Amino acid sequence: DTAVSQTPKYLVTQMGNDKSIKCEQNLGHDTMYWYKQDSKKFLKIMFSYNNKELIINETVPNRFSPKSPDKAHLNLHINSLELGDSAVYFCASSQGGTSRLYTDTQYFGPGTRLTVL
Amino acid sequence: AQSVTQLDSQVPVFEEAPVELRCNYSSSVSVYLFWYVQYPNQGLQLLLKYLSGSTLVKGINGFEAEFNKSQTSFHLRKPSVHISDTAEYFCAVSDLVGNQFYFGTGTSLTVIP
Repeated sequence: DTAVSQTPKYLVTQMGNDKSIKCEQNLGHDTMYWYKQDSKKFLKIMFSYNNKELIINETVPNRFSPKSPDKAHLNLHINSLELGDSAVYFCASSQGGTSRLYTDTQYFGPGTRLTVL
Repeated sequence: AQSVTQLDSQVPVFEEAPVELRCNYSSSVSVYLFWYVQYPNQGLQLLLKYLSGSTLVKGINGFEAEFNKSQTSFHLRKPSVHISDTAEYFCAVSDLVGNQFYFGTGTSLTVIP
């Protein structure tokens, strides 16, 4: 069983479109994250949710909106896609709550490669 | 703000040779340190982490790292690498003062047969 899964694996779309990436974890973890990895492999945290509540919201354009329907799912919706949004997006999860946010091991999904044409 | 520097972007090494991947961070105050590995076309997975205690941390796949507070470093080492170690390695720092988590820019390790 895949611990952290993401769909789709690849996403190719035109500028201006709206798209969503879904993430699910079956580890029973309380916290989930979205990361963006650019073409130079630089990884930057975008959002984090703990038990469906937003706890980290880095400087990310408003076009990006995370949604957590339950603690096992964290989806990322992107409006009006731009060329610069092309990247690999990783979902991750960790076990504990906010007090353990910076110590717990994070478990990553396989990534979604988004290409904006 | 905290920063993480991985001095070497690419490290080629022959199979069965030792390797050291370097990581330095900007502040020695209240940090936790991690090394993650990303195999080709996969997500990251934890190799090892330092939270407290012994400064020498042993991880999976024969890797180890040493926390050096005075030099603000957390270098990753393996005495004998295998082809299967070819991957991207990321150092990461939790800054407990600023409540931030940062990844370094990664080191691409290529093991040459």
